[in-house]
Order: sequence, then C-alpha cells, then structure tokens
Amino acid sequence: AQKVTQTQTSISVMEKTTVTMDCVYETQDSSYFLFWYKQTASGEIVFLIRQDSYKKENATVGHYSLNFQKPKSSIGLIITATQIEDSAVYFCAMREGIASSSFSKLVFGQGTSLSVVP
Amino acid sequence: EAAVTQSPRNKVTVTGGNVTLSCRQTNSHNYMYWYRQDTGHGLRLIHYSYGAGNLQIGDVPDGYKATRTTQEDFFLLLELASPSQTSLYFCASSDRDWGGEQYFGPGTRLTVL
Repeated sequence: AQKVTQTQTSISVMEKTTVTMDCVYETQDSSYFLFWYKQTASGEIVFLIRQDSYKKENATVGHYSLNFQKPKSSIGLIITATQIEDSAVYFCAMREGIASSSFSKLVFGQGTSLSVVP
Repeated sequence: EAAVTQSPRNKVTVTGGNVTLSCRQTNSHNYMYWYRQDTGHGLRLIHYSYGAGNLQIGDVPDGYKATRTTQEDFFLLLELASPSQTSLYFCASSDRDWGGEQYFGPGTRLTVL
C-alpha cells in the first residue's frame, strides 16, 4: 500500500529566504505522480505543483520547485524568496500509476506548517 | 475559472441526526471526491465517483453514504450522525483518473453534538 510521510511538523523561516519541506513516499508501482498542495489559514486547499515519476527534470512553477530524488523515494518542495503570504500548511500527496487501481486516489501526508516571519 | 462549491459551510447537528453535505463543480470534471480532515490524520478519502451514478468506496467510508446525481453534483449523507464525524469535510474534482491534480472546494465544518 502506498504511504506518504512528512516528518517536519512545523518550520519557521525569515521572509525572503529559501525553505525546503521534506516528503518521502512508499509505493510498489513503477509509475506514479506526486503533488504538493497548500492549505491557507482560511482552510482553502490549493494545488501547487506536480512531478511525474518518469520525468527526470524537477518541476518548477513560479517560486515553487521540487527536488525529486527517485532512488530515495523523496520529493522535497522548495520555496524561494519566501513571502509572508506563503505561511500555510503544505501537504505532499501521491497517486500510483495506471498499473494500480483504475481510479484516481490520492494519499496525503500529514502536512508541514510553514511560518514566514518578517 | 474552475470552481468547486460546497454547502453548507458550517453545520451543527445532534447525535442521530441526518445531514447532507452538497458539492457542485463547474469544471466539467468526471471525477469527484469527498475527504475529511482531522488533526493528526490529515486528509482521508471517504467516497469518490467517476461519473453520474457511479460510486467508489474510499478509505474511511463507515457511517457515510454518497450519491452522484449529475456530473456536477456530489452529495455526502450522514444518516445517523455521531460525534466521531465532527470534522472538516472537503469535496474535490479532477479531470483525469491517474495523474490529474485535484481541485478542492472551500470545505464544510460539521459539528455533531
């Protein structure tokens, strides 16, 4: 069974610095998809970025990028030039590939709370 | 812009009461999901659907029923609510089965007294 683990419960960083949030996953599938979501203080959950396991290049969207280390089953989220508005809870999630269940089923990590301070 | 809406946003009921949570998406997505979020457990999948009339069981289905009446509308039913079902409920939609990111609604906070 697939499993996603985020060991960092909370992180605090200074504004305009770079932060990395860790995520490790377990899967028996050779093809899978990894996602990061952000949950704001208001409760809204927003999709940020994804990584397809067969792609070697790390995904980048705006000031979000990923550090995908497939041999270590690790997918870190990197936020550069952090802003106060980046303060939120960040969730890592995984979906196994087509060889697995035929329905899209995301498994989420426990989340990492990020606080960006002035 | 793609949108997922939920109603009500807040609901208080008593033990044994009946509750229906509603979700509507205007994304033209085939896949819809119901999650609950609890401290210490993160997001857990209750039920999901890949089209009108279709239902699939998620990871924590006990005490919940769901119904997908149209491509747009997905309902979560609690027929005999219990305090353990006090939680924050999210609906989501996706355009693809595998590999598609999910778009979430704003959530419904349910309290069962």
